Amino acid sequence: GQQLNQSPQSMFIQEGEDVSMNCTSSSIFNTWLWYKQDPGEGPVLLIALYKAGELTSNGRLTAQFGITRKDSFLNISASIPSDVGIYFCAGFRPSNTGKLIFGQGTTLQVKP
Amino acid sequence: GAVVSQHPSWVICKSGTSVKIECRSLDFQATTMFWYRQFPKQSLMLMATSNEGSKATYEQGVEKDKFLINHASLTLSTLTVTSAHPEDSSFYICSGGDRRNSNQPQHFGDGTRLSIL
Repeated sequence: GQQLNQSPQSMFIQEGEDVSMNCTSSSIFNTWLWYKQDPGEGPVLLIALYKAGELTSNGRLTAQFGITRKDSFLNISASIPSDVGIYFCAGFRPSNTGKLIFGQGTTLQVKP
Repeated sequence: GAVVSQHPSWVICKSGTSVKIECRSLDFQATTMFWYRQFPKQSLMLMATSNEGSKATYEQGVEKDKFLINHASLTLSTLTVTSAHPEDSSFYICSGGDRRNSNQPQHFGDGTRLSIL
């Protein structure tokens, strides 16, 4: 099925470093969402973006809805070990009838 | 925030058994629930959309007779994997949404790990 192009696929960083990941699409989206999934659990919503150009923060996390409506990025500042997990971007397209389209995920590992 | 409860969290059963997974929205009315399947190190794959009071809509390639979905109330959807086989072993996740606000984020259950021996 259709997916968003999410990169990087994985990251291995040192505690305290900043992290950036992004998603792109050839189609426009109405809404961009960023989720985090821990092993054996369901995804948990981190940030929701509803307007082109919107920049939203949630603690150390910052995400932006691209002006073209075809991309979004997520930044994590000053990473800590509990940031480890899989991060997914997801979005709603105008004609989606509520179906979420997911990126492939970014696996983040943080070295203490 | 919105909470979705999924049960059971882990099932191990013999090949040929049918397994039922429940998904409940605890503090909101989920007119629509979504069922996903996730293989290790992969993204979530939408299997079907469950609409309260009507038939589920299945994604291409998903067998509706194999994966029976019932959404009899605004707070409960069930997925039954019929005559399960080892290749059905996977992580199944549900999410709930309010169709009246189709662009609002879906909230996910904690998933069900299904292992068929």
